[in-house]
Parts: sequence; C-alpha cells; structure tokens
Amino acid sequence: AQSVTQLGSHVSVSEGALVLLRCNYSSSVPPYLFWYVQYPNQGLQLLLKYTSAATLVKGINGFEAEFKKSETSFHLTKPSAHMSDAAEYFCAVVLSGGYNKLIFGAGTRLAVHP
Amino acid sequence: GAVVSQHPSWVICKSGTSVKIECRSLDFQATTMFWYRQFPKQSLMLMATSNEGSKATYEQGVEKDKFLINHASLTLSTLTVTSAHPEDSSFYICSAPVQPAREQYFGPGTRLTVT
Repeated sequence: AQSVTQLGSHVSVSEGALVLLRCNYSSSVPPYLFWYVQYPNQGLQLLLKYTSAATLVKGINGFEAEFKKSETSFHLTKPSAHMSDAAEYFCAVVLSGGYNKLIFGAGTRLAVHP
Repeated sequence: GAVVSQHPSWVICKSGTSVKIECRSLDFQATTMFWYRQFPKQSLMLMATSNEGSKATYEQGVEKDKFLINHASLTLSTLTVTSAHPEDSSFYICSAPVQPAREQYFGPGTRLTVT
C-alpha cells in the first residue's frame, strides 16, 4: 500500500535561508507525488507534482523537489525563504487502483523568522 | 488553473440540526469529487468519494448515514452533516481531480462549528 512520511512536524528557518522539507514515500508501483501548501483557514494549493517525467520538478513560488527512487524520497526545497512561505506543507501520493485518491502525509509547519 | 468553490466558508449550527456544504467545480466538469475533514493542526483525512450519478464511496470508519453525499451534476457535490454534534466541528474540504494529470484542485474549505 502507498504511503508518505513527512519527517519533522515543525521546521523553522531564518528569512533568506534554505528551506528543506522532507518526504519519503512507500509504493510498489511508480508513484505520482505532490506537494501542497495550506495557509491558515484555506484550502490546499498545488506547489508541484512528479508524474514520472523529469526527476527534478520545479513548482510555483520558487520551490522545487527531486524524485529519488533509490532513496524513495521527494524532498521539497527552496533556496531562500521568504516570510510569506510560512504555512503548512503536505506531501501526497496518488493511491494506485484508480479514482485518483490522495494519501497525505502528516504535514510540516514551516515557520520563517526575520 | 481549475477552480473549486465551497459554500458556505463557515457555518455555526446547533447540536441536532443538519448542515449542507456545497462543492462546485467552476470551470471544468468533475465526475468524481472527494471530501476531507481536517482537525486543527492535523492532516487531511479522506471521508468519501463522491461519484456523479451513483452512490458515494465512504472510507472505513465514516458513517454514511451521518455524512450524506449527493453528486447531482457534473459540477456540484454536496455534503450534509445530519444531526450534528460538537465532535463534528471541523474543517471540511472538497477536491476534484483534473485528468489526465491526476492532480486535484481543492476548495477553500468550510469551517463547521457545532454548539
């Protein structure tokens, strides 16, 4: 069965510092992987997705993620954090077998300090 | 990109009453929509899959008689919380997949508070 594990429920960085949010997946088939961001009291916004094309995926707001099959990882990075990046980030995998069900990780709350 | 709306954005109701939440795909058709609930500081939990023209599919542990789902058209799914209790207070979010990319677009969520 597919699953995702996000390491670190809280990550705190200084403005301008590198952002690294970790996600490991478990899947017996080639996975479709996503990163979503959620601001307080809002729905989820798609940051980027991996669908078996390029292993390095660029998304919105300067974020990118690299799919590493050998490490079963799909970590999210951004070279320089902005205050506006403070939010909850979710890694997700599409459940195989149809219907496009998403399985979410527990989420990582990113805090950005001046 | 595709837009999904929800109405209302927040609602307060008394214990024992029912509340209906609407989820609409504004610029695309969605034969399938998903309903999630999210407790404070927690991840999203899939409640059910809403299927246009047929019965919804509920996840294990979700009471289908309490959370009624109707997918009346290709752009509208509704979630009705029947006989609401305070423990039903939560943030309810819907989503719809856009083919063939398999990505899902999420509504802005509905905050339900049962007093």
